[in-house]
Parts: sequence; structure tokens; C-alpha cells
Amino acid sequence: EVQLVESGGGLVQPGGSLRLACAASGFTFRSYWMHWVRQAPGKGLMWVSRISNDGSSTSSADSVKGRFTISRDNANNTLYLQMNSLKAEDTAVYYCATGYDFLDQWGQGTLVTVSS
Amino acid sequence: SYVLTQPPSVSVAPGKTARITCGGNNIGSESVHWYQQRPGQAPVLVIYYDSDRPSGIPERFSGSNSGITATLTISRVEAGDEADYFCQVWDSSSDRGVFGGGTKLTVL
Repeated sequence: EVQLVESGGGLVQPGGSLRLACAASGFTFRSYWMHWVRQAPGKGLMWVSRISNDGSSTSSADSVKGRFTISRDNANNTLYLQMNSLKAEDTAVYYCATGYDFLDQWGQGTLVTVSS
Repeated sequence: SYVLTQPPSVSVAPGKTARITCGGNNIGSESVHWYQQRPGQAPVLVIYYDSDRPSGIPERFSGSNSGITATLTISRVEAGDEADYFCQVWDSSSDRGVFGGGTKLTVL
């Protein structure tokens, strides 16, 4: 059974940093492209970032480019999202998901709150 | 950047057919994917590549895509289908994922 478990969310002040992790199990992690998607409270889904199966290719939404970095550790089956220079508008539940151009399996999400 | 437009809400009586649209410039030339999100839960893929259904998704869920509109059709709607539905495409020109704003399906 595919399992994706996000962690690392919490309360952070504006301008601060946070690193999210997504622990994967139940599938061959190194074979899959991965994504981060976020959802602000009461709002819709917003795609954040994608990384290739070997980590050599990444892309990110314009609103996070230069502040967020997606990476992965295939030896430990873990996906990361390093978030710097956080803003209030980054407050959201962050989901990791498998897939190339669509999102097949999703984790349950981790809440990031940016507030002073 | 590519924009997907969904109606904010759709209402349907139990047993009837619900149609949720997703509009975009020449969307018929794109591959459209659909997600269901029940309150308090993570999204679930219900249709991929316009009309393919993942294993475990009921045949009541179907999709089509042509011209400027993609459509998610839910036949014989049940109370458990009440949820938010999002369409999504991969914009290859910008190498970005794009979601529609979402449609809240209410079962009357």
C-alpha cells in the first residue's frame, strides 16, 4: 500500500524558514516523479513544485521560485521542501503527491502557519 | 500562464447526473485530470488523461474533453459524492502544474 506521510509543518514567523519532509513507503520511490501542492485555508489547490525521479530536474510555481527548494533522498525514500523567506500568504496545508503530469497518490498534508 | 475556469458550485438530486465543467484556452488539446476532495480529507484522483479511471473509482465517474471545455460527469449521484472537485492540467510550455478553482458539488 502506498503511504506518503508529511511532517515538519508548524508555526513560523514571517521571514522565517521551515523544511517539510514526506516519507514514502509501499512503492519504488526512486522511480517516481514527486510534487508538492498546497491549499490555503478555505481555498483551492495550488501546485507548488515538482522533481524528477532522480532529482535532476525541478520546476516551481512563480510565487515560490527563489524561496522554496524541492529535493529528494532516494536512499531514504524521502521528499523535501525547503521553504525560506516565508510570507503570510504561504500559510496552507502542504501535500506531497506522486506523479509525472498528474497527481496519483497524495499524503494527508502538514499545516504551515506563517504569523507573528 | 494557463488558466482553468470552473463553476463555484453545482447542485444535483440523488440518482441524477452531475456535470462539472472546466474551461481553458483550447483545453481539448491538453490532458485534463480530475480530483475529488471531501471535507477534511486529502484530494483523490478520480479521472486522468481526460477519461481514464484509476482502480477503485466507480464507473459512475467519467470524463470528456473537447474544444474549450472538459467535463467530469458523475452518474447516479450519491450523498457520498458531495465534495469539492478540481480539474488540473500540466502546462508544458511553462513546465508548471495548473489547477482550476474548484467546484463544490452539493447533493440535494
